[in-house]
Amino acid sequence: KQEVTQIPAALSVPEGENLVLNCSFTDSAIYNLQWFRQDPGKGLTSLLLIQSSQREQTSGRLNASLDKSSGRSTLYIAASQPGDSATYLCAVSGGSTLGRLYFGRGTQLTVWP
Amino acid sequence: NAGVTQTPKFQVLKTGQSMTLQCAQDMNHNSMYWYRQDPGMGLRLIYYSASEGTTDKGEVPNGYNVSRLNKREFSLRLESAAPSQTSVYFCASRDTGTDTQYFGPGTRLTVL
Repeated sequence: KQEVTQIPAALSVPEGENLVLNCSFTDSAIYNLQWFRQDPGKGLTSLLLIQSSQREQTSGRLNASLDKSSGRSTLYIAASQPGDSATYLCAVSGGSTLGRLYFGRGTQLTVWP
Repeated sequence: NAGVTQTPKFQVLKTGQSMTLQCAQDMNHNSMYWYRQDPGMGLRLIYYSASEGTTDKGEVPNGYNVSRLNKREFSLRLESAAPSQTSVYFCASRDTGTDTQYFGPGTRLTVL
């Protein structure tokens, strides 16, 4: 069974710092990997999706990388802002159920001014 | 374009009561999913529907039933609610072209 782990569980940084969130998964037979953002009491918003054949994706200040063979992904956030405060979830798609996502427990990020 | 909508937003039930959680999407997606999110755990798949008229069990289907009423709507039913079903329930639909999943705002359910 696919297991997804996110480190750290929580992170508190001052505004302006560059930071890295880590995600690892046990089964490298994935279709893709997605990073989501979840604000308190809200649903999930997709930030980036990396197909299994890709190495990285970028959107604004966000950059996600994927090393499928080692079962790792990182989400890099440049020049963090208080508005980035949220929980970031990593999910991989794979297995026999098409489109099924396996989620990590998330990294709770706080960016203080 | 509302995306994925869910009703109700909040619900409190007593043990043994039944209820149906509603989900609808307006993006013409074939695939839809129900997940639950519990504190300290990742989201877990309850049921999914690859297309209209088909449904299949996910990781934690016990105590739930689903109906894919049409392409837009996918409902989740609790026949006899138990305290262990206290959770936040998310519905999602998938764009098969990009593989991106879109989530609704969630239903926060408490079973007393």
